[in-house]
Amino acid sequence: DAGVIQSPRHEVTEMGQEVTLRCKPISGHDYLFWYRQTMMRGLELLIYFNNNVPIDDSGMPEDRFSAKMPNASFSTLKIQPSEPRDSAVYFCASSFGVGRITEAFFGQGTRLTVV
Amino acid sequence: GDSVTQMEGPVTLSEEAFLTINCTYTATGYPSLFWYVQYPGEGLQLLLKATKADDKGSNKGFEATYRKETTSFHLEKGSVQVSDSAVYFCALSGNNDMRFGAGTRLTVKP
Repeated sequence: DAGVIQSPRHEVTEMGQEVTLRCKPISGHDYLFWYRQTMMRGLELLIYFNNNVPIDDSGMPEDRFSAKMPNASFSTLKIQPSEPRDSAVYFCASSFGVGRITEAFFGQGTRLTVV
Repeated sequence: GDSVTQMEGPVTLSEEAFLTINCTYTATGYPSLFWYVQYPGEGLQLLLKATKADDKGSNKGFEATYRKETTSFHLEKGSVQVSDSAVYFCALSGNNDMRFGAGTRLTVKP
């Protein structure tokens, strides 16, 4: 398996534009996590899915952020409209767990810069 | 809710020095505990883990012991190398999610 695949690796956009980040989890994994990493706040859990269903989105900073998982092999994180303070590295991770999460596998991340 | 607190960095050591990075946790139930490492420009990767009290996780010379009585999972290595320079994250998985500490940046100088 190629691991967790995120795209794009880098994204530069202007304030106010819509940004969509994509993630392909490892086949067979039933958990998918979106994290945001910044120097100031470290690694924050934004939202996670179990069997394609959003379980906890309490980490999503505001309504400008939305995430979907239409099927087991694809998820998106959308920011609309984007703001400079959204600049960060966004990681997707997937895991397999039955009642208890085992190891989480991370993608390479998407570095988002909003100017 | 569940949370992890780890010592703030950055930590700078000379090659072959002893390393300790402290990690404590707050959780209901019996979480699994992890240490992840992040090299520059990469995602996090699992370094070691422990799933129950008194378990010791080890990998690449790093060790950590799950201490329920002190709710701790400190990372240690007896002799660090320049190649160990990275950011280290303590994490726990409890109620169906995974929470991370803030990360500790380690720099090892030759």
